[in-house]
Amino acid sequence: EPEVTQTPSHQVTQMGQEVILRCVPISNHLYFYWYRQILGQKVEFLVSFYNNEISEKSEIFDDQFSVERPDGSNFTLKIRSTKLEDSAMYFCASSESTGAGQETQYFGPGTRLLVL
Amino acid sequence: QQQVKQSPQSLIVQKGGISIINCAYENTAFDYFPWYQQFPGKGPALLIAIRPDVSEKKEGRFTISFNKSAKQFSLHIMDSQPGDSATYFCAASTTDSWGKFQFGAGTQVVVTP
Repeated sequence: EPEVTQTPSHQVTQMGQEVILRCVPISNHLYFYWYRQILGQKVEFLVSFYNNEISEKSEIFDDQFSVERPDGSNFTLKIRSTKLEDSAMYFCASSESTGAGQETQYFGPGTRLLVL
Repeated sequence: QQQVKQSPQSLIVQKGGISIINCAYENTAFDYFPWYQQFPGKGPALLIAIRPDVSEKKEGRFTISFNKSAKQFSLHIMDSQPGDSATYFCAASTTDSWGKFQFGAGTQVVVTP
């Protein structure tokens, strides 16, 4: 069964450093998303991406964050200057479309980011 | 602003029992309500979803009940099994802002043998 993959599974970084989290969405999916989940808290939407453009973004997704689809398979989330409060599990998700029956979002296993 | 409120925070149910998780929302523009199941160390996985044109949807042992006037929806897990032990999240979104899900805080369900 196709699945969303994410690398790395764990990332430890120093405050102020840049990190890039990578995702490979399911191959025929057109919509891509990033979410984060701070330990013990709810999942929070960060951004959605379609046709090489950001479709929606949350208040969390400020200028420190950027997303990119550098090639036909990868989808990346970059945090330019990490802060302690960026420590969280970051989930990538993808969906085939947004129409009825195709809107299911499939989540990857996540990248655990720890900022020291 | 907490747009989706979920309760209870945790739930212990015996094998064969019924687990019931409730969610309430504020934004009347929400028109898609999924439930996700998350096991430790894994990403959320879609369990079942409903749109407000129906009041109930059943898939196997999982049922969503939806009350549009009360702005509430709930997940019922019938004949709960130890393998159902997980964290369950309700969520909501609008068609206009597709993917911008508002998640509930989650309910940790433990099914005892």
